[in-house]
Amino acid sequence: EAGVAQSPRYKIIEKRQSVAFWCNPISGHATLYWYQQILGQGPKLLIQFQNNGVVDDSQLPKDRFSAERLKGVDSTLKIQPAKLEDSAVYLCASRISPDRNTEAFFGQGTRLTVV
Amino acid sequence: GQQLNQSPQSMFIQEGEDVSMNCTSSSIFNTWLWYKQDPGEGPVLLIALYKAGELTSNGRLTAQFGITRKDSFLNISASIPSDVGIYFCAGPSNTGKLIFGQGTTLQVKP
Repeated sequence: EAGVAQSPRYKIIEKRQSVAFWCNPISGHATLYWYQQILGQGPKLLIQFQNNGVVDDSQLPKDRFSAERLKGVDSTLKIQPAKLEDSAVYLCASRISPDRNTEAFFGQGTRLTVV
Repeated sequence: GQQLNQSPQSMFIQEGEDVSMNCTSSSIFNTWLWYKQDPGEGPVLLIALYKAGELTSNGRLTAQFGITRKDSFLNISASIPSDVGIYFCAGPSNTGKLIFGQGTTLQVKP
């Protein structure tokens, strides 16, 4: 079974530029998460999708971050414009459902450096 | 909101030693997940716990779901250099939001 795929693996941009990350979850997984992980910290949830609907985006900085999952499969996360403090690893994870007895699997992440 | 607190924050041990780390919360969780993250990689699931009191092993790893449902621990026996990494506990909220602890960084000296 293929895992969660993310691209690109690395991205370096200048502040005020835009960037987009892509995630393809495990086939059949209805729940998809985007996390931001700053060096030395645990992952922080940005947004949770159930199929193509948003369940939780309370910690998404909506003035600059946006995410979509139009067909309920793959998803994109965009930052526009980027700030220095956005430098982090952006992780995508998926679960077959949000039910408590299910496991979440992560992609390798995209490491973003804003200079 | 719900939070998970991990301890210790970091550990530096000798190869062959056993390791224990734990995760606590002020609120109840119905599932506990333990992940390991290697540098430059995403977290990899090690063990999933679904019942209070459950004790589950995966090779040299053993994890337990606390009776109160507010804590969990992870033990690693006979540590080896490739055990180096950051270990995270995580638990889903009632809406399916997956919450993570701050992580325990493990270093193993050969």
